[in-house]
Amino acid sequence: AQKVTQAQTEISVVEKEDVTLDCVYETRDTTYYLFWYKQPPSGELVFLIRRNSFDEQNEISGRYSWNFQKSTSSFNFTITASQVVDSAVYFCALSGPSYNTDKLIFGTGTRLQVFP
Amino acid sequence: EPEVTQTPSHQVTQMGQEVILRCVPISNHLYFYWYRQILGQKVEFLVSFYNNEISEKSEIFDDQFSVERPDGSNFTLKIRSTKLEDSAMYFCASTRDRGINIQYFGAGTRLSVL
Repeated sequence: AQKVTQAQTEISVVEKEDVTLDCVYETRDTTYYLFWYKQPPSGELVFLIRRNSFDEQNEISGRYSWNFQKSTSSFNFTITASQVVDSAVYFCALSGPSYNTDKLIFGTGTRLQVFP
Repeated sequence: EPEVTQTPSHQVTQMGQEVILRCVPISNHLYFYWYRQILGQKVEFLVSFYNNEISEKSEIFDDQFSVERPDGSNFTLKIRSTKLEDSAMYFCASTRDRGINIQYFGAGTRLSVL
């Protein structure tokens, strides 16, 4: 069965601190996809990144970076120099091979609070 | 930038009543989804829909639930006889390419069953 674990329920940091959100996944598939979504206080789910299981290259987008390690089944998300606007709940998600399923399986989310 | 639109933003209903939640997916998208998030919990998949058929559904999506694409733009979720435990945020999502599967979500409809 597929599963996503986000062990950190809540993280609080002060602006300009770096913060890493952990995500560990379980799947028996060799082809799968990993995602991060942001849910700001307004409630919508905002897509941040998608990774497929064959691409272990780390990715950087501005202050955001993602570290994908198949050996540890982890897909961690780092925010550098955090800002108050980064305050949100962040969800990691997994989907299986598209020939089989395209549903997203979400973790329980990590609430990030960035204080000024 | 195109977006998924959901109405209403908040729906209050009495237990046992029928509700219809509405969604307008992004216009060139072909695959549609409903998810649910009970307050403070994770987002859970309900159903996926393509070519006017349900592609996949979860255990949550029982006979009380149905989906429909009544015209070329709307995608609806109907709950026939609401229960207290149906109170949740309901998200609609869509994607253009199932292979890439980047699902874009609406802002959600908060359903409160009293």
